[in-house]
Amino acid sequence: DTGVSQDPRHKITKRGQNVTFRCDPISEHNRLYWYRQTLGQGPEFLTYFQNEAQLEKSRLLSDRFSAERPKGSFSTLEIQRTEQGDSAMYLCASSLVGLGADTQYFGPGTRLTVL
Amino acid sequence: TQLLEQSPQFLSIQEGENLTVYCNSSSVFSSLQWYRQEPGEGPVLLVTVVTGGEVKKLKRLTFQFGDARKDSSLHITAAQPGDTGLYLCAGKETSGSRLTFGEGTQLTVNP
Repeated sequence: DTGVSQDPRHKITKRGQNVTFRCDPISEHNRLYWYRQTLGQGPEFLTYFQNEAQLEKSRLLSDRFSAERPKGSFSTLEIQRTEQGDSAMYLCASSLVGLGADTQYFGPGTRLTVL
Repeated sequence: TQLLEQSPQFLSIQEGENLTVYCNSSSVFSSLQWYRQEPGEGPVLLVTVVTGGEVKKLKRLTFQFGDARKDSSLHITAAQPGDTGLYLCAGKETSGSRLTFGEGTQLTVNP
């Protein structure tokens, strides 16, 4: 049984560059979430999908951020024109809605550093 | 936006001691999760509580969900160095699917 996987685990980029992260959820999970976590803080919600539909976006998700889940399986999170303030851990989680408490299981995260 | 206040923020204790971490909100949650996170890794689920007043035990860890589903606590008995880590509580909103996290409790258990 494989858990949530994320790629890459670490990304260092220069300010102004675009970056894309990938998340593969637990097989059969229909919901997929993106969170951002800065040092010393708990994760903050960015957006989530149910199957391929993006159902909710946080105000934290500026116009430079876009997320997709085209086939209802893996998801990508793209950040355009990165800024130093984008440096954070980007976490992906998945859940199976309709059974129990819709518990979210997290991946290992992608650590982004913007120089 | 619902807020979760977690306390204490830092806790350093000796092996064998007991401790309690609190998670409080003025809002009602449909469920509450507790996670543990190691540096550079994602949060790992410890428990989900759903029913007001529910108590769950996981070896030396006891989790309680408040009767009104606004607060929760994590109690660790006879802490061990392996319990060291960041403990996060996260509430699921009643009207949505997002999790609202507390700021976390950094626990250090000294041998």
